Amino acid sequence: QVQLKESGPGLVQPSQTLSLTCTVSGFSLTSYHVSWVRQPPGKGLEWMGVIWTGGSTAYNSLLKSRLSISRDTSKSQVFLKMNSLQTEDTATYYCARATTEENYFDYWGQGVMVTVSS
Amino acid sequence: DIVLTQSPALAVSLGQRATISCKTNQNVDYYGNSYMHWYQQKPGQQPKLLIYLASNLASGIPARFSGRGSGTDFTLTIDPVEADDTATYYCQQSRNLWTFGGGTKLELK
Repeated sequence: QVQLKESGPGLVQPSQTLSLTCTVSGFSLTSYHVSWVRQPPGKGLEWMGVIWTGGSTAYNSLLKSRLSISRDTSKSQVFLKMNSLQTEDTATYYCARATTEENYFDYWGQGVMVTVSS
Repeated sequence: DIVLTQSPALAVSLGQRATISCKTNQNVDYYGNSYMHWYQQKPGQQPKLLIYLASNLASGIPARFSGRGSGTDFTLTIDPVEADDTATYYCQQSRNLWTFGGGTKLELK
């Protein structure tokens, strides 16, 4: 069955870099796009970026200067790196699978909570 | 960027109809499809797909949920509302990358 699971540190210091991994199973990264979405506590969803089936990427214009998404197809993993973290980056971070035609998110990971604090 | 606007909250009685709206600042239609989708999120859980391409029911979603609209105006309807439907509902466009609406929290009267 299709699964996505996020992993990474729960606590990051301000100004440091966040590194998260999304490990997928049940589908190939060359057949579906994978996006990252975040949600600050008590707030709404924010789309962060995507890695397309072909391996290219696109980012939310507000995060583009700090964000990088990559993948390792042999390990079925997608990586997120975001630098210069501030307290407002405290959020639950989700990875989600997007269909290639209609581009809706049909499967989501359970999310990983990241707190930015010294 | 395409901006999606939702009302923050809606209160309805059990068994009644709930209508949640989503308005966009740009047309999200393309070649006959409306690239608008709806998700349900309960506290502590990840979002769950309800409706895709404006009006198509996702797998396993009860027929009480329906969606309609085109262009810049879309609605999600729940009829009749059940207690388990209390959640926050988000619209999302995928016409130009992705953006989400701010979410509508559905509560029971």
